[in-house]
Amino acid sequence: QQPVQSPQAVILREGEDAVINCSSSKALYSVHWYRQKHGEAPVFLMILLKGGEQKGHEKISASFNEKKQQSSLYLTASQLSYSGTYFCGTESTGTDKLIFGTGTRLQVFP
Amino acid sequence: KAGVTQTPRYLIKTRGQQVTLSCSPISGHRSVSWYQQTPGQGLQFLFEYFSETQRNKGNFPGRFSGRQFSNSRSEMNVSTLELGDSALYLCASSFIAGGQNEQFFGPGTRLTVL
Repeated sequence: QQPVQSPQAVILREGEDAVINCSSSKALYSVHWYRQKHGEAPVFLMILLKGGEQKGHEKISASFNEKKQQSSLYLTASQLSYSGTYFCGTESTGTDKLIFGTGTRLQVFP
Repeated sequence: KAGVTQTPRYLIKTRGQQVTLSCSPISGHRSVSWYQQTPGQGLQFLFEYFSETQRNKGNFPGRFSGRQFSNSRSEMNVSTLELGDSALYLCASSFIAGGQNEQFFGPGTRLTVL
């Protein structure tokens, strides 16, 4: 039931782009994205709902492909502050329960 | 607006003991979820409470239990501790229940079982 995230880790230089994928074996109703910096609590980035549109703010955006049961998080022109572990959380249709993936560790270097 | 608070922040226990963790949600939030975080496993869902009722439960043994009070504060209890229970326990609150709402996480309680 746990969604699968890929890649497990990403190393970038400032200004480079990255894509983090999240896939589920079940039909999805919603997908959440959170970022957790070392030693801190996860912080909400965005929610994508079934039938909704692609979302984003500033240089972080995400898409949700309902048919493929996948979501992707796009980080454009990465900044040092983007470093952290990114988690997707998925709610399968009919479960009303949020299940998180194992996370993708992103490190941005100057 | 104060954030989600969790107490204590750190705990050291020995095998066989029991432990109670506390979570105070953001004022006005009625849903509280608990997660166990370990390296490599991500955030494992324990349970969710809404209006003092358990709405959802993850795949954890019965040693893990919880409750929610009328003021929405929640406690989680782990009995007969095992070494594998060592983890960061996070609680998250949201205004209403369900998986479609933004969750606000607390700083967590770091539990070490010796």
